[in-house]
Amino acid sequence: QQQVKQSPQSLIVQKGGISIINCAYENTAFDYFPWYQQFPGKGPALLIAIRPDVSEKKEGRFTISFNKSAKQFSLHIMDSQPGDSATYFCAASKQPSGYSTLTFGKGTMLLVSP
Amino acid sequence: DSGVTQTPKHLITATGQRVTLRCSPRSGDLSVYWYQQSLDQGLQFLIQYYNGEERAKGNILERFSAQQFPDLHSELNLSSLELGDSALYFCASSVGNLGEQFFGPGTRLTVL
Repeated sequence: QQQVKQSPQSLIVQKGGISIINCAYENTAFDYFPWYQQFPGKGPALLIAIRPDVSEKKEGRFTISFNKSAKQFSLHIMDSQPGDSATYFCAASKQPSGYSTLTFGKGTMLLVSP
Repeated sequence: DSGVTQTPKHLITATGQRVTLRCSPRSGDLSVYWYQQSLDQGLQFLIQYYNGEERAKGNILERFSAQQFPDLHSELNLSSLELGDSALYFCASSVGNLGEQFFGPGTRLTVL
């Protein structure tokens, strides 16, 4: 059972455009939703994260939108740049349980064309 | 650079063999997590250790085991290897039991 569903699988965006990646989760106990960025040959790196007490979080060109009732959250990359070309993973965890093990989506390969 | 180190970077071995992957967490981090990344399954959590004790288990096969040593480095042991075990294995660490996880560069395991 896939607990975090991510779409699209791949995405091509022109430089300067907006990249949007969506995730949906099933477990209502999840309460921490990070996004990771992974470049080829590297490990995932935390990009931005949100908790369900807010509906949006913005850090620079990256914004997470969170819809608790729909159990969905999304990553928006404004003014996408070729350097943003990477694989993006959404994830979720149940922090109050005392464990922060992450359940990941399957990833989205983003290509920003010059 | 996340501060998490993993060795070796690449490992090629044969079916039925046993290998050990090593991870050194960031200085001060007490938690170590192991993940497996494959094309079909994505990133899957295997196991977590906190200050030497096992804290959580994910989709870890019985042929796999791990431990965290007093100096906080961790080892993931994979035995009776099968072709399907070929994957990237990542280690991550965090300060405590919760919070941001920092990933290492990974070990690419190829089982022939």
